[in-house]
Amino acid sequence: QQQVKQSPQSLIVQKGGISIINCAYENTAFDYFPWYQQFPGKGPALLIAIRPDVSEKKEGRFTISFNKSAKQFSLHIMDSQPGDSATYFCAASVRQGAQKLVFGQGTRLTINP
Amino acid sequence: DAEITQSPRHKITETGRQVTLACHQTWNHNNMFWYRQDLGHGLRLIHYSYGVQDTNKGEVSDGYSVSRSNTEDLPLTLESAASSQTSVYFCATGGPSSGKDTQYFGPGTRLTVL
Repeated sequence: QQQVKQSPQSLIVQKGGISIINCAYENTAFDYFPWYQQFPGKGPALLIAIRPDVSEKKEGRFTISFNKSAKQFSLHIMDSQPGDSATYFCAASVRQGAQKLVFGQGTRLTINP
Repeated sequence: DAEITQSPRHKITETGRQVTLACHQTWNHNNMFWYRQDLGHGLRLIHYSYGVQDTNKGEVSDGYSVSRSNTEDLPLTLESAASSQTSVYFCATGGPSSGKDTQYFGPGTRLTVL
């Protein structure tokens, strides 16, 4: 039972372009939506997160857009750089305080120089 | 600095053997989690604990067990290893004591079951 669906599975973007990764969820009780970045051989690390009371959150070149009615959220990476090449996971959880997460399938992002 | 360590980092074992993967954290977080990562499935929750003596089953708990006797450690045991348990295993911690909602992940253990 996949409660969070992520697309695309892989993405290739030219340097300087915009990378967009999408996620959709089913459980309306989810109230915390983080994105994790993972480099080869490393554990995932929190990149940015949002709560459903706002529609957008921006941190540097990374932006989360959130559509509560559609139960969708997306990650936008502006001015994509080769160093952004990694696997990205969206996730969702219920309640605050680092509760258990449900992850999307992951997107392998490659930024061509 | 606070950290999460996992050991071993790589393990090869045979079908039917019992295997224990260690996770140790110095964050003093209440919550600890075990996930497995497989291509096409993302990370899936195996077991989790919200404190000492508390353990709960996750999405893919069959064939795995955990115990929490102190705050720092949550070992994951594969009772009788199967080839389907070949995967990369990640431990994560978090909780109210961190003041944040995020989970912090360890470096992972790559397990191969032959």
